[in-house]
Amino acid sequence: QQQVKQSPQSLIVQKGGISIINCAYENTAFDYFPWYQQFPGKGPALLIAIRPDVSEKKEGRFTISFNKSAKQFSLHIMDSQPGDSATYFCAASTSPAGNQFYFGTGTSLTVIP
Amino acid sequence: KAGVTQTPRYLIKTRGQQVTLSCSPISGHRSVSWYQQTPGQGLQFLFEYFSETQRNKGNFPGRFSGRQFSNSRSEMNVSTLELGDSALYLCASSLGTGETQYFGPGTRLLVL
Repeated sequence: QQQVKQSPQSLIVQKGGISIINCAYENTAFDYFPWYQQFPGKGPALLIAIRPDVSEKKEGRFTISFNKSAKQFSLHIMDSQPGDSATYFCAASTSPAGNQFYFGTGTSLTVIP
Repeated sequence: KAGVTQTPRYLIKTRGQQVTLSCSPISGHRSVSWYQQTPGQGLQFLFEYFSETQRNKGNFPGRFSGRQFSNSRSEMNVSTLELGDSALYLCASSLGTGETQYFGPGTRLLVL
């Protein structure tokens, strides 16, 4: 059972455009929602993260929007660049019993020059 | 500060063999988690160790085991390797519960 559902599976965006990746979850006990970026041959790298007490968090060109009632969160990449071409994973965790992160299946983003 | 390191980076084994992978977390991090990444299944949680104790375990068979040492370094062992164990094995460390996880580059295991 996929605890975190991610869409789309792949995304092609023109340079300068906005890339949007969506995730949904069911477990209301999740209290931490990070996004990771992974380049081929590398481990995932933390991009940005949010906790459910805020609805939006922005860091540079990257923004997380969080909708607690809908149990959804999304990553927006503004002014997308070819260097953003990578696989993006959303994740969720619940901390009381330790660190157990559940990952989405990933979105392969290609930014066309 | 040095990042998470994993050794070896690449491994080729044959079915039935066993393998041990190593992970050195970021200095000061006490939590180490292991993940298996495959194209079909994505990132799947194997287990988490904190202060030498396994705190969480994913849904993997008993052939997958791990341990953590007093210096927080961790090892993962897979016994009786199967073809389906071919994957990228990722280690992630964090300061503690509910903290950000930082991933290593992974060990790519190929089982022939």
